[in-house]
Amino acid sequence: GQQVMQIPQYQHVQEGEDFTTYCNSSTTLSNIQWYKQRPGGHPVFLIQLVKSGEVKKQKRLTFQFGEAKKNSSLHITATQTTDVGTYFCAGHGGSQGNLIFGKGTKLSVKP
Amino acid sequence: GAGVSQSPRYKVAKRGQDVALRCDPISGHVSLFWYQQALGQGPEFLTYFQNEAQLDKSGLPSDRFFAERPEGSVSTLKIQRTQQEDSAVYLCASSLGGGGTDTQYFGPGTRLTVL
Repeated sequence: GQQVMQIPQYQHVQEGEDFTTYCNSSTTLSNIQWYKQRPGGHPVFLIQLVKSGEVKKQKRLTFQFGEAKKNSSLHITATQTTDVGTYFCAGHGGSQGNLIFGKGTKLSVKP
Repeated sequence: GAGVSQSPRYKVAKRGQDVALRCDPISGHVSLFWYQQALGQGPEFLTYFQNEAQLDKSGLPSDRFFAERPEGSVSTLKIQRTQQEDSAVYLCASSLGGGGTDTQYFGPGTRLTVL
């Protein structure tokens, strides 16, 4: 079945450093969504990308959707301690309503 | 409502007991999803409702798992004869439309521990 893979699994950075997580799907995605889950919390929606090659920015966060709509990335510039958490990408497979999540990248930020 | 709510937030069950987990979606949301999240993993899809209709239950791990949404609003996930491998956080999410691309809003989850 469809799989969504995410790397790295863990990333430890010094506050102020940049951070990137990468997401790859085994099949073409109709769209991709990114979520952030704080420790002990639940996934919180960040953004959705729909178009091939789409790039969206939210303050220090930059999201990209690949040309083939099979990969995506999230880049955080100048990390802050408030960025700590696990970042998940999730794809909709075609017309299916459910999301297929990657395993997530757990970000820790050392002040 | 302000967001998706779930109850109980924590549940401890002895192996073999039945449990029922409740989800109150955002008012007016057509779609409701259940996911299971094991420690250190991403959420995994269990089942999907559009109003009261259960359109996809392909993710339910066994016939011990049963979900319903009889009036198209509140949903209950029931697990019969719980096993230790059922220990996980059970997340409920809702979305406004019935399509496959809407944003899903997650509840706080129910952490189930089976002893």
